[in-house]
Amino acid sequence: NAGVTQTPKFRVLKTGQSMTLLCAQDMNHEYMYWYRQDPGMGLRLIHYSVGEGTTAKGEVPDGYNVSRLKKQNFLLGLESAAPSQTSVYFCASSRPQTSGEETQYFGPGTRLLVL
Amino acid sequence: LAKTTQPISMDSYEGQEVNITCSHNNIATNDYITWYQQFPSQGPRFIIQGYKTKVTNEVASLFIPADRKSSTLSLPRVSLSDTAVYYCLVGAGGNSGGYQKVTFGTGTKLQVIP
Repeated sequence: NAGVTQTPKFRVLKTGQSMTLLCAQDMNHEYMYWYRQDPGMGLRLIHYSVGEGTTAKGEVPDGYNVSRLKKQNFLLGLESAAPSQTSVYFCASSRPQTSGEETQYFGPGTRLLVL
Repeated sequence: LAKTTQPISMDSYEGQEVNITCSHNNIATNDYITWYQQFPSQGPRFIIQGYKTKVTNEVASLFIPADRKSSTLSLPRVSLSDTAVYYCLVGAGGNSGGYQKVTFGTGTKLQVIP
């Protein structure tokens, strides 16, 4: 049981390049999330998904797109990278509980540097 | 979303009990209080979650007063390996609104001193 995995671990991009970050979870969780964390800051939600085939915007969605074609995978795309997108990206997944409790399980993160 | 306020940093000696308090004055009826721990270069890790009164697990205790406007994470007998950033989150679970609406603040950086 690997939990939440992220690919790649580290990437350097030039301004204007595109890339896709992959998140995979093997816990059969319905919900998946993409966050970014800038130095010395907390995590900010970029996009999220409440199920296969559905996605929605979070707090800071501009410049990113996502897709959830399979329940276990959640992809984050940068169509035209900008230096402001230099950050550490975390993926998380969770299973909603009827009582309202919920625990998010996080991946190890992807460090992205945009030059 | 309920806003949370917690100290930016704390220092503690090894073996001491550490209490980190988080205030969340506008917590909603459906909101749960969750604490996460984050080590450098790692994703956050769930520590403990509660709704009211006291919750205890093998890692920590969570104290929530009756008005639920604050909460205190208690770490017994900390060691050097407990040096990390601790986040207090307030939000409702997925069944209450489509997804877990929580906000990560800047957290409390705990430094354990030998």
